[in-house]
This record gives sequence, structure tokens and C-alpha cells, in this order.
Amino acid sequence: QITLKESGPTLVKPTQTLTLTCTFSGFSLTTSGVGVGWIRQPPGKALEWLALIYWDDDKRHNPSLKTRLTITKDTSKNQVVLTMTNMDPVDTATYYCAHRTATLTRTFDYWGQGILVTVSS
Amino acid sequence: DIQMTQSPSSLSASVGDRVTITCRASQSISSFLNWYQQKPGRAPKLLIYLASSLQSGVPSRFSGSGSGTDFTLTINSLQPEDFATYYCQQSYSTLMYTFGQGTKLEIK
Repeated sequence: QITLKESGPTLVKPTQTLTLTCTFSGFSLTTSGVGVGWIRQPPGKALEWLALIYWDDDKRHNPSLKTRLTITKDTSKNQVVLTMTNMDPVDTATYYCAHRTATLTRTFDYWGQGILVTVSS
Repeated sequence: DIQMTQSPSSLSASVGDRVTITCRASQSISSFLNWYQQKPGRAPKLLIYLASSLQSGVPSRFSGSGSGTDFTLTINSLQPEDFATYYCQQSYSTLMYTFGQGTKLEIK
């Protein structure tokens, strides 16, 4: 059974750096083709894909946020970490991590429960 | 970047109705189109992958079709638990996993 869970601060100040951790179980990020992605959703708005890291440490970032995002993995801890610099109130959102299938389907088939991050002074 | 446009943005329907939601890609994405359902306060749930394949455990009243740039999600015989927001997402370009803006399905 695949599970994912996001953890990190729920309140950050403007200009600070946000660090979120996705802790997962039920799969290995050393399995060929597997990835873990981050997606966010501002209150009342649509989903926005942020970044993804693959089993081979290849990384993808949303071009509009690329300079602010860093994604890393720790396979020994079954964790993926997302950092976002220079946080702004518009970054207030629920942040989800999700398992990306190893197959050609390339879907996000399992999601964490999400963590609401508020950016406010 | 590939843009995904859903229509309508909101939709009112009754239990038992058949509804269709459309998703259009700004360029061909072959069949790399996924549909998700999201209920308030919950994470999205995968319904359909590769445009028309039903995810395990999803009721057969949900179906998807299309290829290239135009896709549809159809829900036959709406059930009370189907009232939610639906998102399409392309996975053709693995440089950018774009979502549509969502379609909110409400009870009439």
C-alpha cells in the first residue's frame, strides 16, 4: 500500500524559505521509472504542478518557479524534500506530494493529504 | 509550454444526469491525458489515465475519450458522491505536468 505524507511549517513569513518534506512508504524511489512530484493549490484555485524528482535523480521544475525551487531525495529515509525560496503571500496554498507511476502512464496515482502553508507576517 | 483548457468552468446537474466535461490541449499530447476528481478538503483522486483507461476501483459510470488535442470526461447517471471538481492534466511533456483550471460540478 502506497502512502505519502507532507510535513513542514504551516506558517512562514514573507521572504523566508519554505522547506517541505514528503515521507512515503509502499514503494522505493530507486525503482526505475518512479517519481515523486509536488503540486500546490491556492485556496479556491486550481492545481499547479511544481516539481518532480525521478528514481535516477533527474529533476523537473515548473519553469515559472524554477529559480525558487529545489527538490531532493533521500532514498534511505524514503523522503523527498522541496524548498521554495523568497516566499510571498501569493504562495499561500495547500502543498501536495504525489507518487508518479513508473509506467508509460505517467500519472500521479497516489497523493498525500496535503499541508496548508500560509505566508503572512 | 502546453496549456490545458477545460470547459465549462462550472456545471449544474441533477442526480441521474449524464454530464460531459471537455479538456483541450494547446498542442497534440497524443493520449497522455489524465482526469482527477477532487472533493473539498481532500487530495485529488485519479479517475482516468491515458485518456480512456479507468483507474482501478473507479466506477464504470466514468469514462474518458479523445486523443491529440481534444478530450472528454463523461459521467453517466450522476450519483450524489460525484459532485466535485474535476481536473485534466497532460503528461505528454514530462518537462511540465500541466493541469487544467478545473470544472466544478454542482447539484442543480
